[in-house]
Amino acid sequence: EVQLVESGGGLVQPGGSLRLSCSASGFTFRSYALHWVRQAPGKGLEYLSAISANGGSTYYADSVKGRFTISRDDSKNTLYLQMSSLRAEDSAVYYCVKDALYYYGSGSYLDYWGQGTLVTVSS
Amino acid sequence: QSALTQPRSVSGSPGQSVTISCTGTISDVGGYNYVSWYQQHPGKAPKLMIYDVSKWPSGVPDRFSGSKSGNTASLTISGLQAEDEADYYCCSYAGSYTLVFGGGTTLTVL
Repeated sequence: EVQLVESGGGLVQPGGSLRLSCSASGFTFRSYALHWVRQAPGKGLEYLSAISANGGSTYYADSVKGRFTISRDDSKNTLYLQMSSLRAEDSAVYYCVKDALYYYGSGSYLDYWGQGTLVTVSS
Repeated sequence: QSALTQPRSVSGSPGQSVTISCTGTISDVGGYNYVSWYQQHPGKAPKLMIYDVSKWPSGVPDRFSGSKSGNTASLTISGLQAEDEADYYCCSYAGSYTLVFGGGTTLTVL
């Protein structure tokens, strides 16, 4: 059974940093691209970032480019999202999502989602 | 990249069929056959229901079906059941490695 478990969310002040982790199991971690998607309270889904299976390619939405960094540690079956210069509008539930493919982008679809971790940016 | 346009809400009675539309542009929905649909119950994570416009992941009932015409994709749910009440999001590849979601549609089973 595929499982994705996010952690690391919490309350952080504007301008602060936070690192989210996503522990994966139930599939061959190194064989799939991975993504982060967020959902602000009461709002829709927003696509944020992706990393290829080999970690050699990454993508960032304009809203987080230069502030967030996605990475993966295949030895630990863990995906990360390092977030810095956080703003109030970054407050959301952050989902770790598995791609059905090795590379993200054309043909990607998001076949398994974690339960999410809540990030609140507030003073 | 602008969000895809979905109706805010749709409703139907048990046993009926409902269709949720998802309108984009030639740069996303119209340009690629890579539209997927996700179901989200309150407080839960989204679940993949349809991918590549009209394909089913294993375990998803064939009451759910997808289609596309031009810049608009559609999700049709036939034989509505109470457990289908949820939010539904479309998603399309939009070129340059990006995915774009629709704003979401709340389905109410009357």
